[in-house]
Parts: sequence; C-alpha cells; structure tokens
Amino acid sequence: EVQLVESGGGLEQAGRSLILSCTGSGFSFDDYAISWVRQAPGRGLEWVGLIRNKEYRGTTEYAASVRGTFTMSRDYSKSIAYLQINSLKSEDTAVYYCTRSRLALDSPAGWGSFDLWGRGTLVTVSS
Amino acid sequence: EIVLAQSPATLSLSPGERATLSCRASQSVSNYLAWYQQKPGQAPRLLIYDASNRATGIPARFRGSGSGTDFTLTISSLEPEDFAFYYCHQRSNWPLTFGGGTKVEIK
Repeated sequence: EVQLVESGGGLEQAGRSLILSCTGSGFSFDDYAISWVRQAPGRGLEWVGLIRNKEYRGTTEYAASVRGTFTMSRDYSKSIAYLQINSLKSEDTAVYYCTRSRLALDSPAGWGSFDLWGRGTLVTVSS
Repeated sequence: EIVLAQSPATLSLSPGERATLSCRASQSVSNYLAWYQQKPGQAPRLLIYDASNRATGIPARFRGSGSGTDFTLTISSLEPEDFAFYYCHQRSNWPLTFGGGTKVEIK
C-alpha cells in the first residue's frame, strides 16, 4: 500500500525538543520531496518545510516562522523523514502531517502539489 | 510571501446545490495552484492540481479554474460527502503557502 505514516508526537514540555518521523512505503521514497504541514487546533493548514529528494541531496526549505528551530532530515536507507522541533513553544501545539511531492521544474519553486498525506501526529506542548 | 485569500469563510448550502469557492493570490502564481479537501479528523486530500486538473479518483463534479491571481473551485452538485473544509495552496514560490480555508456546511 502506498502510504506515509507519522509518529513521535505526544505531550512535551515547553523548551524541550521532539523528533517526529515520517515513514514512506509502497513507492520510491527517494524520488520525492517530503513536506511537513501543521494544523493547530481549530485552525487552517500551515506549511512548515520541505526536504528535497535524494537527487537534490535532501536540501531544505523552511517557513520563516520555524527557521532556526525546526530541522528536517531523511534516512534514505529506511525511507524515513524526520522533523526535529527544538525549544518547543505552546504555539507549536498542532497535528503535524507529512506529505510528498514530485519534482516539477515548470514552477520556480520546483516541486509539485501534495498528492499523498499521512494521517498526522499530534504534538501538545505544555507550559 | 504569497498570501492566498479564500472566500467566503463559510458557505451554507443544501445537497444538490452548486458551490463556488474563491482563492485570490497576492501576486501571480501562474497555474501553480492546488485545492485540497479536509474532513474533520482526517488528513487533507488533493482534489485539483495546477489550477484545473483533477487528481486521481476525484469525481467530475469538482472543477477548478483560473490563472494568475484568481482561482475558483466549483462543485457542480453537492453530495453529502462534500461538506467539508477546502484549502487552496500555491507551489509557485517559496515559502509555499495555504489559504485560510472555506467551510462548506449543510444549510
């Protein structure tokens, strides 16, 4: 089955760190960029960052709101992408989704729409 | 940053009616715009990519149109399962952004 599965969420104290995982299966994980998108309770979708595919050496792009505190990485041998969240704040409380996109060099940013999503993992930050 | 403004925030309609959702970009995104549907407790699902292309398995009652800064998602005749949140998203420039969403609710 083609799927993405997130894990690693939970209740964590403000100021601490957390690492989320996104495991891909049923498709060529190396060929896709992986984005993280979060959704705070009762709110809309917020793109957090993208890590490129193996061909593009896993280089990254971040939203300004998380740059410097969030770090993405990937393990191609295990088909896993990671999101490390440092210095957790209450406003980081959200469901975190991982999603994939194909290379699409027609656009300036270079990546396609999000055609597959995981079910998400909930991160709750207590103050 | 490209801001996507969706309107209306809420659309109250009955099954069988036509729904028209708008997404306006603060600068041109060409046709690099997608629409997603999200139901409560579920992940978003890709409906339309590149402004007017239906994703795999999406019924023909969903139609996307527009280019540049003005985009529309039309649901020709609402089915009970179509009552949900809808988000637009641009993949033209960094940072990637989403609109604030439109809730389509049962009248």
